[in-house]
Amino acid sequence: QKEVEQNSGPLSVPEGAIASLNCTYSDQGSQSFFWYRQYSGKSPELIMFIYSNGDKEDGRFTAQLNKASQYVSLLIRDSQPSDSATYLCAVNRDNYGQNFVFGPGTRLSVLP
Amino acid sequence: EAQVTQNPRYLITVTGKKLTVTCSQNMNHEYMSWYRQDPGLGLRQIYYSMNVEVTDKGDVPEGYKVSRKEKRNFPLILESPSPNQTSLYFCASTALGGRAYEQYFGPGTRLTVT
Repeated sequence: QKEVEQNSGPLSVPEGAIASLNCTYSDQGSQSFFWYRQYSGKSPELIMFIYSNGDKEDGRFTAQLNKASQYVSLLIRDSQPSDSATYLCAVNRDNYGQNFVFGPGTRLSVLP
Repeated sequence: EAQVTQNPRYLITVTGKKLTVTCSQNMNHEYMSWYRQDPGLGLRQIYYSMNVEVTDKGDVPEGYKVSRKEKRNFPLILESPSPNQTSLYFCASTALGGRAYEQYFGPGTRLTVT
């Protein structure tokens, strides 16, 4: 079992819909969780991070964490074609937050 | 402008010829990391550094070396590159405190080893 798993996609949603991206992790000691967006040929950029169980909202993005189920999700409301990218889930293994493990990413396509 | 720079951006080399990929950040960040990205495998951490002269192995350190002699620079060294090190490499830096753990990534270096 991989340490961080994501559906590779592609996940296709129509413009204006809610895109739901999922991530599971195997290390119960994981402390903090991150979602990155990566456009084709570009470097990853941080969208959200979450440390506590529950929901965290930032604009059109909501991160959800359930440590008991070892599950993290990212919801994108009112999806736009510019949201089309690969979304990477990342988990840090240590308290200093420098030992990261990334999932393989989910490719999202928002159709006009 | 706050940024992480990497050089070269593209490199084609032959097996066994030593190479160095440079990484520099101008944000006075304590933490720096190197990753490689391969299709279907995502980003995998090679090495990370928490400060000058402090480095540690990530998940895939074999075949790589790093050094952190200055806070701003974190070069990645391939002493004897092999074709399985063909990949897209990213350097990243992170501040201690503030918006903790936000990694700023460099633009990437695409390496091909023939």
